[in-house]
Amino acid sequence: DAMVIQNPRYQVTQFGKPVTLSCSQTLNHNVMYWYQQKSSQAPKLLFHYYDKDFNNEADTPDNFQSRRPNTSFCFLDIRSPGLGDAAMYLCATSGSIGGGPGDTQYFGPGTRLTVL
Amino acid sequence: QKEVEQDPGPLSVPEGAIVSLNCTYSNSAFQYFMWYRQYSRKGPELLMYTYSSGNKEDGRFTAQVDKSSKYISLFIRDSQPSDSATYLCAMITGGGNKLTFGTGTQLKVEL
Repeated sequence: DAMVIQNPRYQVTQFGKPVTLSCSQTLNHNVMYWYQQKSSQAPKLLFHYYDKDFNNEADTPDNFQSRRPNTSFCFLDIRSPGLGDAAMYLCATSGSIGGGPGDTQYFGPGTRLTVL
Repeated sequence: QKEVEQDPGPLSVPEGAIVSLNCTYSNSAFQYFMWYRQYSRKGPELLMYTYSSGNKEDGRFTAQVDKSSKYISLFIRDSQPSDSATYLCAMITGGGNKLTFGTGTQLKVEL
């Protein structure tokens, strides 16, 4: 089945220790997104890639970076995690942007990050 | 004022009940509306997608959009314990790339 895969599902890191989260997709979608979701809150968009074009949300902290080496993979790097960065990180993909019927976003299962 | 308002619940109903979940929004530029279901510690799963005012039915689920009132609803008929999850409404402007989510309503369907 075509899908969005995230690894690891659970990640524990120490305060200030860099961490990388991984997302891969078999949907061959052009767009990949990273969202942060804290407990009982709505997912918050951090950034997205449209092919190789990187688009950062204005309020995404510099501590968060992303890489997309190819169509299938996208990484979220947190350079110096703080306690406030503990959250579920969700990867999503869509065929294109625009919100239309062909642009629906499909989510992976998420990576739950704990910062000690 | 948040762009999308959603009652967080929790909402507890008996098995077989009809459930009504609602969101209101303030941005008239939103054109496409979605409902996602999120089980505990899992990613959101797309449940319903609509892009015009009116009703859309899929099995036990009906999505309703009223653009004039900026109000959307999700109805679940004959609710089952497996429907217990958090339901997130989400919407996007035409040509946009950013989903704006409600905070989610936590639903529990009890035997």
